[in-house]
Amino acid sequence: SQQGEEDPQALSIQEGENATMNCSYKTSINNLQWYRQNSGRGLVHLILIRSNEREKHSGRLRVTLDTSKKSSSLLITASRAADTASYFCATVVNQAGTALIFGKGTTLSVSS
Amino acid sequence: DADVTQTPRNRITKTGKRIMLECSQTKGHDRMYWYRQDPGLGLRLIYYSFDVKDINKGEISDGYSVSRQAQAKFSLSLESAIPNQTALYFCATSDWTTGGDTQYFGPGTRLTVL
Repeated sequence: SQQGEEDPQALSIQEGENATMNCSYKTSINNLQWYRQNSGRGLVHLILIRSNEREKHSGRLRVTLDTSKKSSSLLITASRAADTASYFCATVVNQAGTALIFGKGTTLSVSS
Repeated sequence: DADVTQTPRNRITKTGKRIMLECSQTKGHDRMYWYRQDPGLGLRLIYYSFDVKDINKGEISDGYSVSRQAQAKFSLSLESAIPNQTALYFCATSDWTTGGDTQYFGPGTRLTVL
C-alpha cells in the first residue's frame, strides 16, 4: 500500500506564480524526500528533510515537515515553464535501510 | 543520469517469455533498487540490494527475480512475462557511506508484454 499521498493530483498555474504540493504519510519516518520526474524520464532528487527538521530551503524550493500531522509540503516559488513535471514525495520507513516508499505524485503544469 | 544506465530502453515481448532488464552504475554506490511505475500509481519497489551478498524483496516482488552480479550491476528478470507486467521500470542507486537516503535513478525501461 502507498505510504505517501500527494495532494492535489494535478495543478495548473501561470509562470511566476507559486506552486504548493502536499504530502501525507502513514507511519513514522526517518526522513522525507521530494523528487521530480519529467515526462517518461527518471526521477531526480530535489530535497530531503529529516524527521527532526521542520523547514528546509533549496533555491526556489521550500519544504516543510509536520511530523505530528504526518504531512509535508513543497513550495516552488516564481514557477517557470521548465518546472512542468510530476512531483513525488518519498519516505524512508525502514530503520535499517534506505528503501523509499513513493506517493502517487502531483502533476504540475506551468504555462507561459 | 548518465551514471546509472539501463538496457534495453524499450522492449516489447510476448506473454510467457523470459526477459532480463539490466542496470549498471558508475557512481560506486553500494545500494541498488528496482522499481516499477504504472500510471496513477507512482513507483513501487520490487527488489533492493544493499551489497552484492544482500538481496531483499520489496512491495511487489512476485513474478520477478534479481541478480547482483557485481557492485555495479543489478539485473531484474521476469521469468514468464505477463501483460500486467507492462510498465516503466526504473533502477536506482544510493550510497550508504554518505547517508544512503538520496537515490539516483536511471532513465527507465519501457516494457510492453503482449
